[in-house]
Amino acid sequence: SQTIHQWPATLVQPVGSPLSLECTVEGTSNPNLYWYRQAAGRGLQLLFYSVGIGQISSEVPQNLSASRPQDRQFILSSKKLLLSDSGFYLCAGFKAGANVLTFGAGSRLTVL
Amino acid sequence: SQQGEEDPQALSIQEGENATMNCSYKTSINNLQWYRQNSGRGLVHLILIRSNEREKHSGRLRVTLDTSKKSSSLLITASRAADTASYFCVDSGAGSYQLTFGKGTKLSVIP
Repeated sequence: SQTIHQWPATLVQPVGSPLSLECTVEGTSNPNLYWYRQAAGRGLQLLFYSVGIGQISSEVPQNLSASRPQDRQFILSSKKLLLSDSGFYLCAGFKAGANVLTFGAGSRLTVL
Repeated sequence: SQQGEEDPQALSIQEGENATMNCSYKTSINNLQWYRQNSGRGLVHLILIRSNEREKHSGRLRVTLDTSKKSSSLLITASRAADTASYFCVDSGAGSYQLTFGKGTKLSVIP
């Protein structure tokens, strides 16, 4: 079965600092991978998805970027964080044959 | 995108009562799924219903699908305090990779 690992679990960053959140997948190959953001008390906003190495689709224009350097690695980055980037970030993987999204435990980002 | 919209946004019930939440979608679906999110955690898959199914059961969960109305409902019977969570639906059918979720239904089960 597929397992999604995310880190760090929690981080507090000053405005203007860079960001790197990492997501790795265990137990499957060639999954579709997703980054979601959830603001406090809100629904999930799809940020990026990837269907393969180097293939990134962006859903929302913003100061975030994503990369997929390896099949099982998905990275969310920012060069300069904004206050509005605060939130709960979730990585998820989707294996078409299994038809189920598997989520990581999430990374809580607070920008001060 | 394959987005579902859940309602109500919030639901509060007493332990032992049944909880019903609904999901509407705009496009033709292939598979509709329900997920649960405990506060501060990732989402967990609950149940999947295929477009050619009308009803599906899993333990205390019952999901129905009405493709003519483009809607689905999730029923949790004999609710427990541990069922307190947010519930989301999404269409995970083939043809689109944009798996987007609605705002979810926040269920509170009062002991």
